[in-house]
Amino acid sequence: DTAVSQTPKYLVTQMGNDKSIKCEQNLGHDTMYWYKQDSKKFLKIMFSYNNKELIINETVPNRFSPKSPDKAHLNLHINSLELGDSAVYFCASSQLRQGAGGYTFGSGTRLTVV
Amino acid sequence: SQQGEEDPQALSIQEGENATMNCSYKTSINNLQWYRQNSGRGLVHLILIRSNEREKHSGRLRVTLDTSKKSSSLLITASRAADTASYFCATDVLSGGGADGLTFGKGTHLIIQP
Repeated sequence: DTAVSQTPKYLVTQMGNDKSIKCEQNLGHDTMYWYKQDSKKFLKIMFSYNNKELIINETVPNRFSPKSPDKAHLNLHINSLELGDSAVYFCASSQLRQGAGGYTFGSGTRLTVV
Repeated sequence: SQQGEEDPQALSIQEGENATMNCSYKTSINNLQWYRQNSGRGLVHLILIRSNEREKHSGRLRVTLDTSKKSSSLLITASRAADTASYFCATDVLSGGGADGLTFGKGTHLIIQP
């Protein structure tokens, strides 16, 4: 069973479109995250949710809106896509806190905006 | 801002040799973690070392942590072709609320020549 699964794996779309990426974890973790990995492989946190509550919202354009219907799901909706949004987006989960353990990452969604 | 910096950015060695990667960070941490990313894949958690630990082993991996120098090293012994990947250090910083997510370095791209 996949621990953290995100769909789709690849997403090619035109500028200006709205798209969503879904993420689900079956580990029973309390906290879920979205990370963005750019073309230079640099990973940066975008959002974190703990038990459906938004904890972190880094400097991310408000075109990006996370939604957590329950603690096992954290979806990412992106409005008015721009070329610069092209990247690989990773969902992750952890059991928190203070040295509790490593994070489990999904396999990533490669978003290409054309 | 970016917390970790890995050194070297790229490393190419012969199979069977040991590979050492270093990581430096800037702020006080709760723990430091190392991840592996194979090309086109997600991140896999390798090992976590807490701020009160100095050394940790897991199979062929050995991690050290020097909080006075704010640095860590990852040693992979008896390298194999399958170890070819990018390796990232990530810090879990101290905070009052938790769920702050990990801050990643830029990664070391390791190539094991058969």
